[in-house]
Formats: sequence, C-alpha cells, structure tokens
Amino acid sequence: QVRLVESGGGVVQPGRSLRLSCSVTGFTFSRYTMHWVRQAPGKGLEWVSVISYDGTVKNYAESVKGRFSVSRDTSLHLHMSSLRAEDTAIYYCATTFYSGAGWNFDLWGQGTLVTVSS
Amino acid sequence: QSALAQPPSVSGSPGQSLTISCTGTGSDIGAHDHVSWYQQHPGKAPKLIIYDVTHRPSDISDRFSASKSGNTASLTISGLQSEDEGDYYCSSYSSRATLVFGGGTKLTVL
Repeated sequence: QVRLVESGGGVVQPGRSLRLSCSVTGFTFSRYTMHWVRQAPGKGLEWVSVISYDGTVKNYAESVKGRFSVSRDTSLHLHMSSLRAEDTAIYYCATTFYSGAGWNFDLWGQGTLVTVSS
Repeated sequence: QSALAQPPSVSGSPGQSLTISCTGTGSDIGAHDHVSWYQQHPGKAPKLIIYDVTHRPSDISDRFSASKSGNTASLTISGLQSEDEGDYYCSSYSSRATLVFGGGTKLTVL
C-alpha cells in the first residue's frame, strides 16, 4: 500500500527546535521529489519546502528560509529551528505519485501537528 | 510570495454549476502551466482534483473541470452535489522555484 506517514510533531517552546519525519511505504522513495506543506489551524495551505529525488536540490518558502532544513535518507525529514508561534500548523509531506510531472501532490500523509507555545 | 487570490466562499444548490477563480501574477499562473486544484474536507488531507491547469486524476469525476486565462485560473464544478462541500485551494508553480497556494474557498451546497 502506497503511504506517507509523518511523525515528530508536538508542543515546543518558541525559539526551540523540532525534527519532523515522513516515512514511506509501498513505493521506491529514492525516485521521488518530496515536499512539505503546512496548514495553520483554521487557515489555508502553505508550501514549505521541496527536496529533489536525490537530495541535491532544495528550496524553501521565504517564511522558513534560514530556519528550516529539509533532508532525506530512507525517510524525509524537516529540521525546524528558531520556532515561532506562527509556525504552529499541521505539517504534511506530499509528492507527485500518479498524476503529472511535479509541483502537484496526489499523495499526502495524514499530517503531524506542531504547536509552538510557551 | 503572496498567496493566490481566491474568493473566501461560494455557494450553490444541488445540480447547479459554479466556478471558483484563482488570480495570481505573471510570475506564477501567468508564466507556468503547473496549476493545480485541491479539495479538502474537515480533518482530512487535501485531495488533488486538477493538475497542469486542465488535467484530472483518473479517480476524479468529470464534473470537475478547469482552465486558465492570463494570470487567472478557474475551477468549474457542474452538477453540484452535497459531497462537493468543502474547501478548495488552487496552487501554482512560481518562477522562484517555489509553490504558492491560494487562500482557499469554502464551498457550501445549499
């Protein structure tokens, strides 16, 4: 079964760090470009980051640049540092699996909630 | 990167057709054909319903169609059904090798 499963969310104090992971089952992870997308409570979707299939190309939204770092090994990771209240959101990993050539996401995880609060 | 502009809400009666607009700039929608639309129900992950401006995934009903003109993309839902109720988001690849989403539109079936 093709599946993405996020983990690592929780409550963290402002200024601290947190690492999210996204594990993959049912397909060859190393062939796919992966993205992180977040959604603040009651708000819309916000693209966060992309990493190429081989990990050589990465990019970030301006709102997280310099604070977040994406990586991959056998899973996808998002290292978040200098966290702010406005980083509070459900974080989804996502990819293009069946449809299109990229930058559209037909495979999503269930999301993991990050709450930044003192 | 500013979010793409969508109407906050739309509504329609069962069987009707309605269109949701998504306005960007010449750096995103106007410059690229990686425009997508997502449907999201409460508590669920988004679901892709349109990709590359007009293409539908194989599991998506043909009641959903989309187009693009200039800096504006549009999603049309025909034969509105109660299960269509939810939030709809557009997205577009941007010239800065990033992705931008619309603010979202809440669809209510009356």
